[in-house]
Amino acid sequence: EDQVTQSPEALRLQEGESSSLNCSYTVSGLRGLFWYRQDPGKGPEFLFTLYSAGEEKEKERLKATLTKKESFLHITAPKPEDSATYLCAVQARGSARQLTFGSGTQLTVLP
Amino acid sequence: DTAVSQTPKYLVTQMGNDKSIKCEQNLGHDTMYWYKQDSKKFLKIMFSYNNKELIINETVPNRFSPKSPDKAHLNLHINSLELGDSAVYFCASSQGDGYQPQHFGDGTRLSIL
Repeated sequence: EDQVTQSPEALRLQEGESSSLNCSYTVSGLRGLFWYRQDPGKGPEFLFTLYSAGEEKEKERLKATLTKKESFLHITAPKPEDSATYLCAVQARGSARQLTFGSGTQLTVLP
Repeated sequence: DTAVSQTPKYLVTQMGNDKSIKCEQNLGHDTMYWYKQDSKKFLKIMFSYNNKELIINETVPNRFSPKSPDKAHLNLHINSLELGDSAVYFCASSQGDGYQPQHFGDGTRLSIL
């Protein structure tokens, strides 16, 4: 069974204080790993897709990396507007497009 | 220009009632999904429809029935609502062979009294 574990559950940072979120996964052949951002009362908003170990993607203050067992979402010099829950999901090869999600990391960036 | 829209946003009802949630996407995607997000914030797949054919049903009780009149719409009908059905239900859509990301609506919060 595919599993995704995210840590920490919650993270509080001062504005400008860089950090990383972790997503550990076990999957029977990875097709893709997806990062989403979810704001309160909203649906998940797509950030990145990573397909193979060693791949990196960047968008503004966010950078996602992938190894064979985990992915990191690095946040550089965060701002209060980066506060949200960050979700990681995996899609297995041979699956009918099903995403298996972790429970998320709730990030709070204090001004 | 909302991409994936769900109605209603909030649904409060009594145990035992039947209710429906509607979903529409204007992205031209060929696959639509329903997910359930429980109180612990886990998103779990319930159904997926590709070109009007069901391709996933993850051990969801048969009180839940997805209905897709066309590839832009995927509605969720729930019979005999139970307390445990209280959750946020998200609709999503994607295009192609599964490598494309899924795009989500803003959810329907269902509360059973």
